[in-house]
Amino acid sequence: AQTVTQSQPEMSVQEAETVTLSCTYDTSENNYYLFWYKQPPSRQMILVIRQEAYKQQNATENRFSVNFQKAAKSFSLKISDSQLGDTAMYFCAFCTSGTYKYIFGTGTRLKVLA
Amino acid sequence: SAVISQKPSRDICQRGTSLTIQCQVDSQVTMMFWYRQQPGQSLTLIATANQGSEATYESGFVIDKFPISRPNLTFSTLTVSNMSPEDSSIYLCSVAGGAGNEKLFFGSGTQLSVL
Repeated sequence: AQTVTQSQPEMSVQEAETVTLSCTYDTSENNYYLFWYKQPPSRQMILVIRQEAYKQQNATENRFSVNFQKAAKSFSLKISDSQLGDTAMYFCAFCTSGTYKYIFGTGTRLKVLA
Repeated sequence: SAVISQKPSRDICQRGTSLTIQCQVDSQVTMMFWYRQQPGQSLTLIATANQGSEATYESGFVIDKFPISRPNLTFSTLTVSNMSPEDSSIYLCSVAGGAGNEKLFFGSGTQLSVL
């Protein structure tokens, strides 16, 4: 069975600084996707970034980038130039290709400080 | 991306009653999903709802407790039946983003409190 582990329940970062959120996963699958979702107080789950397991190149989306280490089964999220609007719960998620069945981690609550 | 409207946004219900949550999508989608997020917890998949077929429930969730309807390609409902305080959660509707990318798009959720 697949598992997703986020070992940092809470983190804080100063505005404009960089922060890295950790995520590890376990699977025997070879074809899968990894995601980071953001959930602000509005409860809306917002896709931040997505990584295909077959791609070696790390995904980037503006200020958000990932460090994908397939052999280590690690998938961390780096937020550069943190903004107050980045304050939210961040969930790491895994999905076997072709299934749409997501396994979510327990989340990291990130607070950006002014 | 799809725009997903979910109603109600929040509700407070009495023990033993039922609540039906509606999910409306602005485009036709094949696969819709219902998730539960218990207080301070992660998201857990309740069931997959495809139009024209019975919903497929995950382990630990049963149709009698969480009946789902999917009458067309833009709409679904989830009913939480015979509620108890343990059902207090956020319930989220989501839709598949399209073949080959496994993206999920979510509604804004229904915050349910059971007294």
